[in-house]
Amino acid sequence: EAGVAQSPRYKIIEKRQSVAFWCNPISGHATLYWYQQILGQGPKLLIQFQNNGVVDDSQLPKDRFSAERLKGVDSTLKIQPAKLEDSAVYLCASSKDILNQPQHFGDGTRLSIL
Amino acid sequence: QKEVEQDPGPLSVPEGAIVSLNCTYSNSAFQYFMWYRQYSRKGPELLMYTYSSGNKEDGRFTAQVDKSSKYISLFIRDSQPSDSATYLCAMSRSYGGSQGNLIFGKGTKLSVKP
Repeated sequence: EAGVAQSPRYKIIEKRQSVAFWCNPISGHATLYWYQQILGQGPKLLIQFQNNGVVDDSQLPKDRFSAERLKGVDSTLKIQPAKLEDSAVYLCASSKDILNQPQHFGDGTRLSIL
Repeated sequence: QKEVEQDPGPLSVPEGAIVSLNCTYSNSAFQYFMWYRQYSRKGPELLMYTYSSGNKEDGRFTAQVDKSSKYISLFIRDSQPSDSATYLCAMSRSYGGSQGNLIFGKGTKLSVKP
């Protein structure tokens, strides 16, 4: 079974620029999560999708972050404009469905803001 | 007070030692408790998953949950250099849905020396 795929692996941008991350979950997994992991911290949930609907986006900074999951498969997370404090690893995870843990994580996109 | 507290370490032990990793939490609503292992530049992978109080064993790993003390532990027996990683505790209020969202500790960095 292929794991959760994320791209790019690394991204360096200047503050106020925009950036997008892509995630392809494990085949057949209905639930998809985006996490932010700042250096030295545990992952923090940004948004959770069930198929193509949002279950929880209470911790997503909606003034600059957006996410979509068209057709209930792949997902993109966008930051516009980026701030210095957005430097982090952005992890995508998926699970079979909303009532079926565990969550399987991708290796993340490491974002550096200059 | 943070919901989940975890000593970031680092923790260094000789090969073959018994390792004890711990987390405390403040929210008595947490019922599901997990331990993830995260190698450098990789996503977290699930090691142990426990519901409510009690012990669970899987090979060299034992997870303990004491809900009365709001304290969880992970023990690693006969530690190996390949166990060198960051160990993250995580917990949730329910098995799924928005209440199933994981709250992570900061992670403890473990190094097992040959």
